[in-house]
Amino acid sequence: DGGITQSPKYLFRKEGQNVTLSCEQNLNHDAMYWYRQDPGQGLRLIYYSQIVNDFQKGDIAEGYSVSREKKESFPLTVTSAQKNPTAFYLCASGRSYGQAGYTFGSGTRLTVV
Amino acid sequence: DAKTTQPNSMESNEEEPVHLPCNHSTISGTDYIHWYRQLPSQGPEYVIHGLTSNVNNRMASLAIAEDRKSSTLILHRATLRDAAVYYCIRGNEKLTFGTGTRLTIIP
Repeated sequence: DGGITQSPKYLFRKEGQNVTLSCEQNLNHDAMYWYRQDPGQGLRLIYYSQIVNDFQKGDIAEGYSVSREKKESFPLTVTSAQKNPTAFYLCASGRSYGQAGYTFGSGTRLTVV
Repeated sequence: DAKTTQPNSMESNEEEPVHLPCNHSTISGTDYIHWYRQLPSQGPEYVIHGLTSNVNNRMASLAIAEDRKSSTLILHRATLRDAAVYYCIRGNEKLTFGTGTRLTIIP
C-alpha cells in the first residue's frame, strides 16, 4: 500500500546533539512538508519542498535543516541551534500547489533530555 | 496573511448535522480549500477539498461561498468518532495551518 512513513515514532536527544528525523513516501508525490506541533497548538511549517533538490523555509526554519536528494525522501535535522526542540514533528506529502489531498505521516515525538 | 480563521471550539449533539465555518478572505483565485482533522497524537487526516464548486464525499460536504472568502464543512450526521480538531487550509505552495476548531460531540 502507498503511504508516508516517519521514523522513529519516539526519539530522545541530549541537549547539544543534532538528530535527524526520517520521512519516506511511496506515493510519487512531488511536494513534501515538515511541521512542528506543540501541545494544544496547531501545526507550524518548518520547511517544504516542491521538487527534488529544492526546498524553501517555512515559518519557523531556524535551528532546522533539510535535504531533498530523492523524490521519496525528505529528512529533517534538528540541530543544536534549535532552542526548544521538544515537540511532535509531522511530515506530509502531496501533489504540488494543493490541487489534491495531502497525506500525513503518523509523526515523531522528540524529547530533549 | 496565508492563514484561515476558524472558531476555537464547537459542540454538537450526536447524530445531528455539524457546520464548521472557515474564513479565508485573502484567498487567491488558484488556492484550493482543504479540510483536515486530527486526533490526539496522530497525524492529520484528509477530509475534503475544493476550488469553487461545492463538493461531496463519503466523509463530508464542503460548501464554498460564491466569492470564495469563506467555506463550511458539513458533517451530515455526527458520531462520537468525529470528535477531533478540524483544520481549514488554503492549499497552495506553502500549505499553512491555522489553529483549527476543536469539535466536541455530545452523546
